[in-house]
Amino acid sequence: DQQVKQNSPSLSVQEGRISILNCDYTNSMFDYFLWYKKYPAEGPTFLISISSIKDKNEDGRFTVFLNKSAKHLSLHIVPSQPGDSAVYFCAASGLGTNAGKSTFGDGTTLTVKP
Amino acid sequence: DAGVIQSPRHEVTEMGQEVTLRCKPISGHNSLFWYRQTMMRGLELLIYFNNNVPIDDSGMPEDRFSAKMPNASFSTLKIQPSEPRDSAVYFCASSHAGLAADTQYFGPGTRLTVL
Repeated sequence: DQQVKQNSPSLSVQEGRISILNCDYTNSMFDYFLWYKKYPAEGPTFLISISSIKDKNEDGRFTVFLNKSAKHLSLHIVPSQPGDSAVYFCAASGLGTNAGKSTFGDGTTLTVKP
Repeated sequence: DAGVIQSPRHEVTEMGQEVTLRCKPISGHNSLFWYRQTMMRGLELLIYFNNNVPIDDSGMPEDRFSAKMPNASFSTLKIQPSEPRDSAVYFCASSHAGLAADTQYFGPGTRLTVL
């Protein structure tokens, strides 16, 4: 049972437009969510996070929205730039058996076209 | 800080051989994680340590896989004997404190190819 799902394997957007990456989770014990970005031949790097007590967190061009009732979060990138082309992983951590570790989605490959 | 260091970066071996992957976490971090990334299964958590103690190894695929953390600055992931289906990129990550909200810092990965 996959607890964190990124249903879109890939997304292509034009430079300057908005990129929206989606993530769904099933475990109600998750209370902290993170997005990581991964370039080829490198490890994932932390991008932005959000606690379950919030519904929005913003950092420059990146905003993460959390809808707890729908168990859904999304990452918005505005405006998108060619350098944003990478694989984006959604991850969740929380209480109980999830404490101390993160569960990752399969990733979405974002391509930003010049 | 140099970040999480993994070695080797690439490993090509033949089926049946022993493979040892190495990781040096960021100094001061007390949690260490081993992941495997494949096209079919995405990013899987294999095992994680807190204060050098294995906490959850439920992701270790089978007895051929073993991991150790003899001290706070070093960990190994060993596969013996290796099989072609073990071919993947193996990542090590570290984080600070055992809180649920900790951010993980990943190494560059070891690309393993088993022929």
